[in-house]
Amino acid sequence: GEDVEQSLFLSVREGDSSVINCTYTDSSSTYLYWYKQEPGAGLQLLTYIFSNMDMKQDQRLTVLLNKKDKHLSLRIADTQTGDSAIYFCAETETLYNFNKFYFGSGTKLNVKP
Amino acid sequence: SAVISQKPSRDICQRGTSLTIQCQVDSQVTMMFWYRQQPGQSLTLIATANQGSEATYESGFVIDKFPISRPNLTFSTLTVSNMSPEDSSIYLCSVETGGAGTFGSGTRLTVV
Repeated sequence: GEDVEQSLFLSVREGDSSVINCTYTDSSSTYLYWYKQEPGAGLQLLTYIFSNMDMKQDQRLTVLLNKKDKHLSLRIADTQTGDSAIYFCAETETLYNFNKFYFGSGTKLNVKP
Repeated sequence: SAVISQKPSRDICQRGTSLTIQCQVDSQVTMMFWYRQQPGQSLTLIATANQGSEATYESGFVIDKFPISRPNLTFSTLTVSNMSPEDSSIYLCSVETGGAGTFGSGTRLTVV
């Protein structure tokens, strides 16, 4: 199977920027994804990037993709306490009629007031 | 994107019993996916449920332990059978819409 790796924890102060990093193995993944999981909740799709792009910006979120190094990052500008959650990156393997998701271990973001 | 309703949201069960988790989607989808998230871990795909055929299980998961039903294009159930404390996890169903995975809010299962 595919291997997606993330650091486990990140702690930042409110108002700072957060950068969550991810490395993956499947270069054929058409899209790469970032999901957010708040305590006791399911996964919420935050953003995704097409594999032919190297950057995508969506309000406070910036996704950077280095396809050569198979490195994906999520930058959250002006981090708020409400951003405290676990962030999962994911890649997909396209099987004959669906995309199989592989998730990283998740990075727990702690935002201190 | 699709909206997924999953129930129960949580349950505490005795070992040796079984629990059936329901997943309802607000639109017709070909495939539904069931994941397990063990405490402090990432998501692992249990099986893929296609309407009208038997579910396809990932390595390490078997039908006797996790029977799945898929009676129509908007509904699926996952049963966790003969539970042990090691089955304590969050179970999530998911569908793929527009290339992205949409997840239910999960069922938090504790086996005592």
